[in-house]
Amino acid sequence: TQLLEQSPQFLSIQEGENLTVYCNSSSVFSSLQWYRQEPGEGPVLLVTVVTGGEVKKLKRLTFQFGDARKDSSLHITAAQPGDTGLYLCAGVRDRDDKIIFGKGTRLHILP
Amino acid sequence: ETGVTQTPRHLVMGMTNKKSLKCEQHLGHNAMYWYKQSAKKPLELMFVYSLEERVENNSVPSRFSPECPNSSHLFLHLHTLQPEDSALYLCASSQDLSTGEKLFFGSGTQLSVL
Repeated sequence: TQLLEQSPQFLSIQEGENLTVYCNSSSVFSSLQWYRQEPGEGPVLLVTVVTGGEVKKLKRLTFQFGDARKDSSLHITAAQPGDTGLYLCAGVRDRDDKIIFGKGTRLHILP
Repeated sequence: ETGVTQTPRHLVMGMTNKKSLKCEQHLGHNAMYWYKQSAKKPLELMFVYSLEERVENNSVPSRFSPECPNSSHLFLHLHTLQPEDSALYLCASSQDLSTGEKLFFGSGTQLSVL
């Protein structure tokens, strides 16, 4: 059973386009984090969201935590080749405080 | 150096070999972690140490043996591994062992078991 579903698994788009990737679960999370992992490197934390409905912006990246704290989305505006990487979401599960990772969305931005 | 450093970056070993992975953090953190990252699977937490004491062991086979001699160093000793153990092994640290803490990851050791 996949506890944190990330979609799509793969996404390849042209530079300048917009995109949204999703992280969904049936579990409630006290907080949710997004990481980006580049080839040959470990994941690097981008943002943590903790309140249902919260929206955080990091330059061209917009992160939203669902009202029920079960899902999240990452929207990238005017994607650039430097955005290429594996995007991982990780949630701290409410019922047992376990940190659960999704499988990730592999994003490739074509110049 | 700063951050979390892992060595070696790449390791190829036979099923009868014994090897060790090393992780060092220069952040003054109190908690350290070993994760396994396999293709098409989520990151799997293997071991957690807080102030050099093991606080979590997620049903990891005994052929993986962690060691934390001090709060800056973490080892993963490997012996008689199986081909399915081939994966990227990531070390991470956090300031303390509290949920929601920001994890700082190393670059990982890409392990291939032949």
